[in-house]
Amino acid sequence: DAGITQSPRYKITETGRQVTLMCHQTWSHSYMFWYRQDLGHGLRLIYYSAAADITDKGEVPDGYVVSRSKTENFPLTLESATRSQTSVYFCASSESNSNQPQHFGDGTRLSIL
Amino acid sequence: RKEVEQDPGPFNVPEGATVAFNCTYSNSASQSFFWYRQDCRKEPKLLMSVYSSGNEDGRFTAQLNRASQYISLLIRDSKLSDSATYLCVVKTQTGANNLFFGTGTRLTVIP
Repeated sequence: DAGITQSPRYKITETGRQVTLMCHQTWSHSYMFWYRQDLGHGLRLIYYSAAADITDKGEVPDGYVVSRSKTENFPLTLESATRSQTSVYFCASSESNSNQPQHFGDGTRLSIL
Repeated sequence: RKEVEQDPGPFNVPEGATVAFNCTYSNSASQSFFWYRQDCRKEPKLLMSVYSSGNEDGRFTAQLNRASQYISLLIRDSKLSDSATYLCVVKTQTGANNLFFGTGTRLTVIP
């Protein structure tokens, strides 16, 4: 049971570059989420998706783009990376948006030099 | 004011001790509450949901106090493997963008 997987696990890139973080889930969950986790902050929602082709902004969407052409995939793209986007990124999914908890991938550590 | 606030700790306790964490939330209309556990450099994992009547799972007990707007997590008979950061998570209302995470409370269980 693969669950939810993220790739790459680690990425180092330079400011101004485009970088895409991948997220894949095998549960057929409707909802998928992208969070970033930084010291002194709880996880903050970047973007989320309720279903294929439906995405919406979270708390901190600036500088990020997402797509959801298939239910199982939810890539996150930094179009022009900045140092402030250095963070740990977590993808999550849930069956519905009622009171169901979210299940997280194992994260991508991204460093922007 | 933050939606969810936790004491960051660290809490250093000996094996076998009982330890309790509190978490306060600001939105009185909050609907759902969870405790997640996060090990160093790993993803958060659901520990338990918190129900209005309180709930217990083995050595772990979660309580909700709506009047004072806090939730608590009690760990009895602490094990070395309980060392982790515990995240308080609150869902304020319907909608996928209404789940808020605390910054976490760090627990270290000492032999």
